[in-house]
Amino acid sequence: GEQVEQLPSSLIVQEGASVLINCSYTDSASVYFPWYKQEPGKRLQFIIDIRSNMERKQTQRLTLLFDKKTKHLSLHITATQPGDSAIYFCSASPNYNVLYFGSGTKLTVEP
Amino acid sequence: ETAVFQTPNYHVTQVGNEVSFNCKQTLGHDTMYWYKQDSKKLLKIMFSYNNKQLIVNETVPRRFSPQSSDKAHLNLRIKSVEPEDSAVYLCASSSNSAETLYFGSGTRLTVL
Repeated sequence: GEQVEQLPSSLIVQEGASVLINCSYTDSASVYFPWYKQEPGKRLQFIIDIRSNMERKQTQRLTLLFDKKTKHLSLHITATQPGDSAIYFCSASPNYNVLYFGSGTKLTVEP
Repeated sequence: ETAVFQTPNYHVTQVGNEVSFNCKQTLGHDTMYWYKQDSKKLLKIMFSYNNKQLIVNETVPRRFSPQSSDKAHLNLRIKSVEPEDSAVYLCASSSNSAETLYFGSGTRLTVL
């Protein structure tokens, strides 16, 4: 089945910094790649997605890049705030029936 | 309020007991899921139901069985729990298969 890996496993940055989270997948049939965040004590929440026919998607402070050849994604977060502190999960879907999640990246933004 | 609701929030039990978790969504979605999140925050798909029909059943031990009475409800029963079943069980729903998932707040199971 699909295997999704994320790096780094954790990040600590100062408020205002930019961060990059990398994600790779194994199944070339995967077509849909949503990202979720999980703030402490809160439920998982969708933040951004991209499909395999796109290379880039941007929303507010988030930019998601997709490279189909290398099976690689990267999430760029700019102007981080303490409220961005959460675990960020990459996921991949080969058939729109299920999402396979990466191991998560714990982001801590210090004021 | 429209959302995904899970009960109970917490459950502590002993090895060998049977447990049952409930999930209800009021979003009008057709697809519901159960995910397991372990102590390292790893998320693994267990089951997926579309309009009461099982469409995904990952390699889950047979002691786990999902139950769906209608498309708004997806319960999870575990017969004879084992220590490795300790985890947070997350229910989710989506309007189309695997499009944006809406998650519940989870049921934390502790097996002593």
